[in-house]
Amino acid sequence: RKEVEQDPGPFNVPEGATVAFNCTYSNSASQSFFWYRQDCRKEPKLLMSVYSSGNEDGRFTAQLNRASQYISLLIRDSKLSDSATYLCVVNSGYSTLTFGKGTMLLVSP
Amino acid sequence: NAGVTQTPKFQVLKTGQSMTLQCAQDMNHNSMYWYRQDPGMGLRLIYYSASEGTTDKGEVPNGYNVSRLNKREFSLRLESAAPSQTSVYFCASSDGSGGQGNSPLHFGNGTRLTVT
Repeated sequence: RKEVEQDPGPFNVPEGATVAFNCTYSNSASQSFFWYRQDCRKEPKLLMSVYSSGNEDGRFTAQLNRASQYISLLIRDSKLSDSATYLCVVNSGYSTLTFGKGTMLLVSP
Repeated sequence: NAGVTQTPKFQVLKTGQSMTLQCAQDMNHNSMYWYRQDPGMGLRLIYYSASEGTTDKGEVPNGYNVSRLNKREFSLRLESAAPSQTSVYFCASSDGSGGQGNSPLHFGNGTRLTVT
């Protein structure tokens, strides 16, 4: 099992839709989880950290399921500007973070 | 409000040439990282520096060397470039406040390197 796995997509959704991505991780000792957003030909940018109790930031909700070893990202009321690749990032139990390959989201008018 | 600054933004090398990618951060972060990103491979860690004066190998260190010049600067050197090193390189930093590997990363704009 790969350390961090994501469905590459693309997820094609209309504006206003709700979309969810999951990310599975293999190391049960992982302690830190993040979602990053990467626009085409740009650097990754932190979208949000993922806390054990779940957390919300505007239209974005992140959740952690330790028992099943996955994190999720829910985007409500999708905007055209949400089109990007979403990277799942997990502390692999060592001193660095491991990135998933990303899920591409395309929001259409 | 510079954050993490990388130079150059673009570079074309011939096989066997050498070059150094420069990275500097002004956020007083302890930890700095070099990643490469290739299509279908995601971001892979080349080297990192947990604190000034230390460097460690990441997932794909072969063909690269690094120098943590001071707290602000972390350079990546390709001694003899190969076509397999054609990639986008990102420098990143973190404050390490949550312990190593627990703090989010702040990325530079990237360097697009082509080796012919």
